Amino acid sequence: GAGVSQSPRYKVAKRGQDVALRCDPISGHVSLFWYQQALGQGPEFLTYFQNEAQLDKSGLPSDRFFAERPEGSVSTLKIQRTQQEDSAVYLCASSFRDRGSGDQYFGPGTRLLVL
Amino acid sequence: KQEVTQIPAALSVPEGENLVLNCSFTDSAIYNLQWFRQDPGKGLTSLLLIQSSQREQTSGRLNASLDKSSGRSTLYIAASQPGDSATYLCAVRLPAGNNRKLIWGLGTSLAVNP
Repeated sequence: GAGVSQSPRYKVAKRGQDVALRCDPISGHVSLFWYQQALGQGPEFLTYFQNEAQLDKSGLPSDRFFAERPEGSVSTLKIQRTQQEDSAVYLCASSFRDRGSGDQYFGPGTRLLVL
Repeated sequence: KQEVTQIPAALSVPEGENLVLNCSFTDSAIYNLQWFRQDPGKGLTSLLLIQSSQREQTSGRLNASLDKSSGRSTLYIAASQPGDSATYLCAVRLPAGNNRKLIWGLGTSLAVNP
């Protein structure tokens, strides 16, 4: 079966531009997570969905970041007015269990470069 | 505040060696601990997950141990191969009530030389 997919794989944006990153989780997975991984760093938690409900957005670094999962499957992470410090790999992960106690399956990530 | 540290930051070994990667965490109140592998340009792969009540997990040539009271986990790789070259990340999951977050170490970059 297909794993977690993300698109685009690479995105170059000019500072101030809005971007939208897509995550297609594994079918049937209840939990969906977004992480931000800066160069040479570990992934930092951004936000968590259980089905369509965004239960935790405490990791979003500013109000320029917005995530949604309207039908409980595909999720979009939107960054408005991008800044250079937003350059990172954005990872999406999904998990079958609603409490996330099982393995998280990660997508390949979207590498964002803001110039 | 939970913090995760991995030692060493980088490791280079000849093929065939047995090796140990270390992970330590500051707060023993964890839900579980997970070891991941990250290859350049590819996604994270979950290797082993140890629940807080468990002491170890094994998968093939990999063995992970957990000593929650001392805040330590080790990943043992037996008979290393060049294909094992990757960055290995350790992450602890906070208990229920802490938003199920994963707290990550910075990883150990492993190079296995043929």
